[in-house]
Amino acid sequence: DAKTTQPPSMDCAEGRAANLPCNHSTISGNEYVYWYRQIHSQGPQYIIHGLKNNETNEMASLIITEDRKSSTLILPHATLRDTAVYYCIVRKSNFGNEKLTFGTGTRLTIIP
Amino acid sequence: GAVVSQHPSRVICKSGTSVKIECRSLDFQATTMFWYRQFPKKSLMLMATSNEGSKATYEQGVEKDKFLINHASLTLSTLTVTSAHPEDSSFYICSAMLGRTPNFGAGTRLSVL
Repeated sequence: DAKTTQPPSMDCAEGRAANLPCNHSTISGNEYVYWYRQIHSQGPQYIIHGLKNNETNEMASLIITEDRKSSTLILPHATLRDTAVYYCIVRKSNFGNEKLTFGTGTRLTIIP
Repeated sequence: GAVVSQHPSRVICKSGTSVKIECRSLDFQATTMFWYRQFPKKSLMLMATSNEGSKATYEQGVEKDKFLINHASLTLSTLTVTSAHPEDSSFYICSAMLGRTPNFGAGTRLSVL
């Protein structure tokens, strides 16, 4: 299973773009990259996912490098409510056996 | 809105008792659900994969007799912590696949006294 590594913590000023990196150097060709965030004592909330193309939705943008060994989640205008632990997940799908491998997570703190 | 419902959100029980946690998929069928455990300030750890109509698949090191999983219908999986002890106190989270996207429940905080 692909492993992911993330910095343990990051700070970002309110209103600025938050860029959260994730390394998944052993990812295989059919594995997707998903990002979730978790606010204290709640279940993870889906943010965005991608395979090899960059993706954007109302919450964030996902930039995946051409070799797919790393990705960056971008929150374009961070607010205090974006303070959470962000998880980068590689999703393996093998004949219906969906297995999720969680990264270590980055604790993002938005500073007023 | 939430697509996966988990109940209860918090439970406190005495040592030696059993606790059942429910995970329901709302408005969709989930042949597979997943159960995770999370320790304080740690990432989610997959415990087992719940398969509708068949036995659950447990991750290495997870005691299947301790953590009983039942997936009797396409919308419900249950995790029963049997003969709970204080070391079983943790945050338990379920998830179900909706299309290509894993959706997580809100989690259950179990405290064993």
